[in-house]
Amino acid sequence: DAGITQSPRYKITETGRQVTLMCHQTWSHSYMFWYRQDLGHGLRLIYYSAAADITDKGEVPDGYVVSRSKTENFPLTLESATRSQTSVYFCASCPALLYNEQFFGPGTRLTVL
Amino acid sequence: AQKITQTQPGMFVQEKEAVTLDCTYDTSDPSYGLFWYKQPSSGEMIFLIYQGSYDQQNATEGRYSLNFQKARKSANLVISASQLGDSAMYFCAMREDKTGANNLFFGTGTRLTVIP
Repeated sequence: DAGITQSPRYKITETGRQVTLMCHQTWSHSYMFWYRQDLGHGLRLIYYSAAADITDKGEVPDGYVVSRSKTENFPLTLESATRSQTSVYFCASCPALLYNEQFFGPGTRLTVL
Repeated sequence: AQKITQTQPGMFVQEKEAVTLDCTYDTSDPSYGLFWYKQPSSGEMIFLIYQGSYDQQNATEGRYSLNFQKARKSANLVISASQLGDSAMYFCAMREDKTGANNLFFGTGTRLTVIP
């Protein structure tokens, strides 16, 4: 029962490079989410997806791109990384609308130098 | 305006005592959900408890209970009989159901330290 996994767990990159963070869930949940966690801000939504091929922007989408060609995968790409994107990134999923829990992955700590 | 406000950056509690972590929310949506998550130093997000806006009774899960006061728009987490393992960051979050998006708005968190 792998649940929801993220890779890599830690990543250091340089300004201007493209970086892709992977998220994979084994539950076939319809909804998937990307949040970033920064000191003083809690978690903020970057993008979410209601189903394969359906994605939408969250609170802080600038500089990020997502895709969801398969239900189980929801990669997040930083097209040209900036220092302000240094953060901890969490992927989450839930099976249905109005479900009473979101299931979180372990997080990816990204540092942009 | 902040949708979720947690006014206590840090709290201390003696082991075996009860503690209340405050959370207020702001929404015009009559249907919403309120969540509490725990984040220990290892970093993972652990779901604790959920309260729906139409639920008549306060939610309880083991030592966790949610003190839901709808008129005051507050959803405080009560932890009874604190244990050393309860030391962690605690986040309150809200889902607004009118959006149909299912996403959560989080507060900035409260760091709880349990003192032996």
